[in-house]
Amino acid sequence: GAVVSQHPSWVICKSGTSVKIECRSLDFQATTMFWYRQFPKQSLMLMATSNEGSKATYEQGVEKDKFLINHASLTLSTLTVTSAHPEDSSFYICSAGDRRGITDTQYFGPGTRLTVL
Amino acid sequence: QKEVEQNSGPLSVPEGAIASLNCTYSDRGSQSFFWYRQYSGKSPELIMSIYSNGDKEDGRFTAQLNKASQYVSLLIRDSQPSDSATYLCAVISLDYGQNFVFGPGTRLSVLP
Repeated sequence: GAVVSQHPSWVICKSGTSVKIECRSLDFQATTMFWYRQFPKQSLMLMATSNEGSKATYEQGVEKDKFLINHASLTLSTLTVTSAHPEDSSFYICSAGDRRGITDTQYFGPGTRLTVL
Repeated sequence: QKEVEQNSGPLSVPEGAIASLNCTYSDRGSQSFFWYRQYSGKSPELIMSIYSNGDKEDGRFTAQLNKASQYVSLLIRDSQPSDSATYLCAVISLDYGQNFVFGPGTRLSVLP
């Protein structure tokens, strides 16, 4: 099956610092990658959609200058949380789209738990 | 009306019973439907995809799709405590730019 990895799996940082999260599709090429955020006991919230080689499309209410997304290759997308604050503490999950014919399936990475002190 | 709706639960079933999870969607043109399972503190994992009307079986799981009624369900036979998780229904919606739209999820609890 399709495997997506994320790194790091858990990060604790001080308020005001920046944190980079990597998302890799290990055994397939992902033309599209998605970034989600999930707060405890809440459902997934799509933050942005990134296509390889182009700018990410952000969902309404998501600050593009705070959450920088780069999708430089078909197997790697990065999310950088700039000047993180405690309210940014959350579970960040990426997924990669595996396009087979006319259908798309999203495969999720294991997630990155961010704690901002 | 929300794009994808699910009962939030929790749905409690005894071990060995059939768990039935339901999902409705608003975009009549949707063609692709998915069920994901998410354990607490973990990311979602794909259980099944279904594209045609009818039933699709995979082990203890059966997905059922009825496009006329805009309804997709997941049946879990012989439920086990390890099936306790939140189940997310996802639809590729043409109304939403052919992006995945997730339902809020149904929390299932299988009681030993």
